Amino acid sequence: QLQLQESGPGLVKPSETLSLTCTVSGGSISSSSYYWGWIRQPPGKGLQWIGSFYYSGSTYYNPSLKSRVTISVDTSKNQFSLNLSSVTAADTAVYYCARLVGYCSSGTCYPNAFDIWGQGTMVTVSS
Amino acid sequence: QSALTQPASVSGSPGQSITISCTGTSSDVGSYNLVSWYQQHPGKAPKLMIYEVSKRPSGVSNRFSGSKSGNTASLTISGLQAEDEADYYCCSYAGSSIFVFGGGTKLTVL
Repeated sequence: QLQLQESGPGLVKPSETLSLTCTVSGGSISSSSYYWGWIRQPPGKGLQWIGSFYYSGSTYYNPSLKSRVTISVDTSKNQFSLNLSSVTAADTAVYYCARLVGYCSSGTCYPNAFDIWGQGTMVTVSS
Repeated sequence: QSALTQPASVSGSPGQSITISCTGTSSDVGSYNLVSWYQQHPGKAPKLMIYEVSKRPSGVSNRFSGSKSGNTASLTISGLQAEDEADYYCCSYAGSSIFVFGGGTKLTVL
């Protein structure tokens, strides 16, 4: 049974870099069938897609966050990480990692839906 | 990308049916049959309820159904039950492996 678990500091100072890790168990992040991603949810607000990656090394970012976001992968540890730089109070949120199932048609594949989620981790940006 | 538009809240009595709309643009909902819906109970992670507009993952009740017309997708829940009370979010593929979520809809079972 695939499980995802987020980990990282719960408190980050303004202007610093938020760093989180998602550890995947029960399956490999190197599978060609899936993408993997990060989503966040500010307190009392809706979900926001942050970014995703494919095992081939391709990464995709939300245009509104692209200049501050980096997603990296450690296949040896079956983990992937999120770095968000120059954080402000607006980055305070619950951060989720998730698996994306793919959809293929006429030889082209797309990431499709977030089918398995981690439990989420709360990150507060405050001095 | 702007967030997809959902009603802030909907309500219904047990046994009734409700529909939640999700309006996007011709660049996202209107262009791809890759709309998904998520249920989120307070303090919990979202749960996938519908993918590819109308498909249900294994284990999701057939009381949940999805559809799409033009730039608007819809989630219908029939035979409302108390346990359906939750927040619901739509999400659409928007090209170039980018995703956009809706603002969320709070479902109240009266």
